[in-house]
Amino acid sequence: DARVTQTPRHKVTEMGQEVTMRCQPILGHNTVFWYRQTMMQGLELLAYFRNRAPLDDSGMPKDRFSAEMPDATLATLKIQPSEPRDSAVYFCASGPPGITNYGYTFGSGTRLTVV
Amino acid sequence: QQQVKQSPQSLIVQKGGISIINCAYENTAFDYFPWYQQFPGKGPALLIAIRPDVSEKKEGRFTISFNKSAKQFSLHIMDSQPGDSATYFCAASGGDSSYKLIFGSGTRLLVRP
Repeated sequence: DARVTQTPRHKVTEMGQEVTMRCQPILGHNTVFWYRQTMMQGLELLAYFRNRAPLDDSGMPKDRFSAEMPDATLATLKIQPSEPRDSAVYFCASGPPGITNYGYTFGSGTRLTVV
Repeated sequence: QQQVKQSPQSLIVQKGGISIINCAYENTAFDYFPWYQQFPGKGPALLIAIRPDVSEKKEGRFTISFNKSAKQFSLHIMDSQPGDSATYFCAASGGDSSYKLIFGSGTRLLVRP
C-alpha cells in the first residue's frame, strides 16, 4: 500500500529548541499539506504545497514556523524556537495530480511534546 | 462562515445498532463533503464523500445523507461493529479555496460488543 511516511513519530523537546518534522509524500503525488491536531482546535491546516511551491501558509505562525519542500520526495516543517503551546500531533497529507480536493492520504503523524 | 459544526461530540452504540453523526455548514460555495475515520495513533483516512448534486451516497454499511437546503449532512453507520470504534470527522471544501478541507470537531464513537 502506498503511504505517507512521517518522521519522527514522537518528539519530546525543551522549550526554545528547534524541531524539524519530515514527510515523504506518496510517489507521484504533487500536493502536500501540513495539518496540526489538538484537542482544543481540532484539525487545522498549516500549509499547502503544489508542485513543491507553497500556495497557502496562512494557517502557520510565521514568526516561528517554516515549511519547505526541498524536493518532490521530502517536505519539512520546522519550529524555531518551540513553545509548550506547539504541543500537538502534526500530520502531513498528500494528494495526486488533477484532483483538487479529494483523495488526500494522511500520514500517521508526529506527536510533539514541548516541555 | 468557514466553520463546519459537528455533533455529537461522543456517541455510544450497541453492536448492531445505527450510529448517526451530524454536520452543518454555512458556506454555500462548499461543494465537496467527505467523512474521515481516525483510529488512535493514526492519521485520518477518507471513508466516504458526497457532492451536492446527490442527496445520498451509500458504500457498504456507511451512508451519507445530504440536505442542501438545510446545509446539513450526516453519516449513518448501519449494523455498527466494535471495529467501527474510532473518531469520525466531517469536512467540507469548495469555493475560492477548493483544496482546503475544513474539518468538523470530531465525534468519538464507541461501539459496545
